[in-house]
Amino acid sequence: QKEVEQDPGPLSVPEGAIVSLNCTYSNSAFQYFMWYRQYSRKGPELLMYTYSSGNKEDGRFTAQVDKSSKYISLFIRDSQPSDSATYLCAMSRNTGTASKLTFGTGTRLQVTL
Amino acid sequence: DAGVIQSPRHEVTEMGQEVTLRCKPISGHDYLFWYRQTMMRGLELLIYFNNNVPIDDSGMPEDRFSAKMPNASFSTLKIQPSEPRDSAVYFCASGSTLGPTNEKLFFGSGTQLSVL
Repeated sequence: QKEVEQDPGPLSVPEGAIVSLNCTYSNSAFQYFMWYRQYSRKGPELLMYTYSSGNKEDGRFTAQVDKSSKYISLFIRDSQPSDSATYLCAMSRNTGTASKLTFGTGTRLQVTL
Repeated sequence: DAGVIQSPRHEVTEMGQEVTLRCKPISGHDYLFWYRQTMMRGLELLIYFNNNVPIDDSGMPEDRFSAKMPNASFSTLKIQPSEPRDSAVYFCASGSTLGPTNEKLFFGSGTQLSVL
């Protein structure tokens, strides 16, 4: 069993929809949770960074962590075609640049006009 | 800054050949990471360096893989001999322990490797 599970999709939604992307994990030692966005033929870029349980909002994006259920989510409000990308969750035991990240395999999102 | 620069963007080679992937990190960053991405396994950390010194190479799949960082602005990942199962996208990423973005990794655009 993988440490981090993520539905690969693809997930197709109309423009303006609310998108929910999710990951589950098995290692209770994970404390720091991230969402990366990866456009086609590009490297991942950090979108959201959260510590422990709770919510964090940044514009149209909300990251949610439920450590008791080992479940994290990324919500995108008013989705745009430019949001079409693969979204990777990542998590680590420690903070800082040297912390080893464990990534999900990514969910491909397509926002249609 | 131009970001993390990787070369080549695409590499097609035959089984048994040596492959060298190159990376130029962002100037001033003291950490450099090599990742491999496949559909089945996602992004996997192969090795990372701090101040040009290899810190953790536990993700390197086998002795056929080696990585070097001769100076702060250049790193290579070498596969010798290459095998078809090495086909993947290889990413280099850099980061800094200084400043407000110390948890942020900056990824290059990757090298798509195909071993026939």
